[in-house]
Amino acid sequence: EADIYQTPRYLVIGTGKKITLECSQTMGHDKMYWYQQDPGMELHLIHYSYGVNSTEKGDLSSESTVSRIRTEHFPLTLESARPSHTSQYLCASNSFSGEKLFFGSGTQLSVL
Amino acid sequence: AQKITQTQPGMFVQEKEAVTLDCTYDTSDPSYGLFWYKQPSSGEMIFLIYQGSYDQQNATEGRYSLNFQKARKSANLVISASQLGDSAMYFCAMRVNNAGNMLTFGGGTRLMVKP
Repeated sequence: EADIYQTPRYLVIGTGKKITLECSQTMGHDKMYWYQQDPGMELHLIHYSYGVNSTEKGDLSSESTVSRIRTEHFPLTLESARPSHTSQYLCASNSFSGEKLFFGSGTQLSVL
Repeated sequence: AQKITQTQPGMFVQEKEAVTLDCTYDTSDPSYGLFWYKQPSSGEMIFLIYQGSYDQQNATEGRYSLNFQKARKSANLVISASQLGDSAMYFCAMRVNNAGNMLTFGGGTRLMVKP
């Protein structure tokens, strides 16, 4: 049912590397979100966007940055990955009038 | 500020029995929505059920029902006739309509169904 895609599904990378986690949705949703989740723990909102050229930081401070140049695309970038960034990153979207949040499959990031 | 509390970090249930997962919330806003999501070991978040604060009846979706007690600020999930495939993490979440419509999640409950 969900048409929201995240790549890569898994990423293992060395400290100091720049990485971009991709998130795309084909539902025309205006609102998109990035959540960070440690294993077995709650989700924390790190970034959100209400539309093109709109980005805001969420409740949890994050060293990552996001951009929203196109409605369907909401990539997350880490300029210099560190072991403390090891986590699962979940992208989500909904419409302004929508109740349900649609999630992607997540990206499991491991920084060595 | 909004807060969601799930007091059961882990629960066991026998296959074919019903189980209740607890969720309490805190908000001063009268307009809000409550959600339950299931997260299997594969990691994706699967929407289960939604209850609006002004809905008169408890939400139901197949084997899932939401026991909404507004005065007590609780929104417990009831799963009837548990199946082995129900073993997963379950997250309660709240969206406050006047706070940017973002979802705040609880800490989750790990449900394990025994054969």
